[in-house]
Amino acid sequence: DQQVKQNSPSLSVQEGRISILNCDYTNSMFDYFLWYKKYPAEGPTFLISISSIKDKNEDGRFTVFLNKSAKHLSLHIVPSQPGDSAVYFCAASGTGANSKLTFGKGITLSVRP
Amino acid sequence: GAGVSQSPSNKVTEKGKDVELRCDPISGHTALYWYRQSLGQGLEFLIYFQGNSAPDKSGLPSDRFSAERTGGSVSTLTIQRTQQEDSAVYLCASIGTASYEQYFGPGTRLTVT
Repeated sequence: DQQVKQNSPSLSVQEGRISILNCDYTNSMFDYFLWYKKYPAEGPTFLISISSIKDKNEDGRFTVFLNKSAKHLSLHIVPSQPGDSAVYFCAASGTGANSKLTFGKGITLSVRP
Repeated sequence: GAGVSQSPSNKVTEKGKDVELRCDPISGHTALYWYRQSLGQGLEFLIYFQGNSAPDKSGLPSDRFSAERTGGSVSTLTIQRTQQEDSAVYLCASIGTASYEQYFGPGTRLTVT
């Protein structure tokens, strides 16, 4: 049973527009959420995270929103750039640093020039 | 100052053979994870080493899989009697203390023919 779900396998967005990547989770014990970005033939790289005590975290063009009651988070990228084209993984962790991460299946973002 | 490294980058092996995959984590990182990503799937947790504690092996898919971490640093993932369904990208990640952010290596692409 998937505890972290990224239900859309792909998203295509025009350069300059907003990209919204969604993620749902089922385990209410998760209290830390991360987004990773992966280019082909490379390992995932950390992008942005959010603690369950917050509902928004912003870093440059990237903002993560968390709705705990809905067990939903989203990553907003604005404005989208062609270099953002990659696979984006949502991940969640339980209490305590070093806790095991549970990953979603990922979503492939394509930003059209 | 290098990141996580993995070797080999690619491995093609015949069904039934044993393989060893190596991970060199970031120096000083206390925790190390192994994941695999099969085609079209997310990141599947395999095993987790934290300091001197007993490893969390709950993600290993069968007893053909084993891993060790010598001296709290380098880790080796061994797959015995490989099967075609073992074909995947095997990723290693390390994490420092008091951190949720895992740093991934580039992965080893294993193909079992």
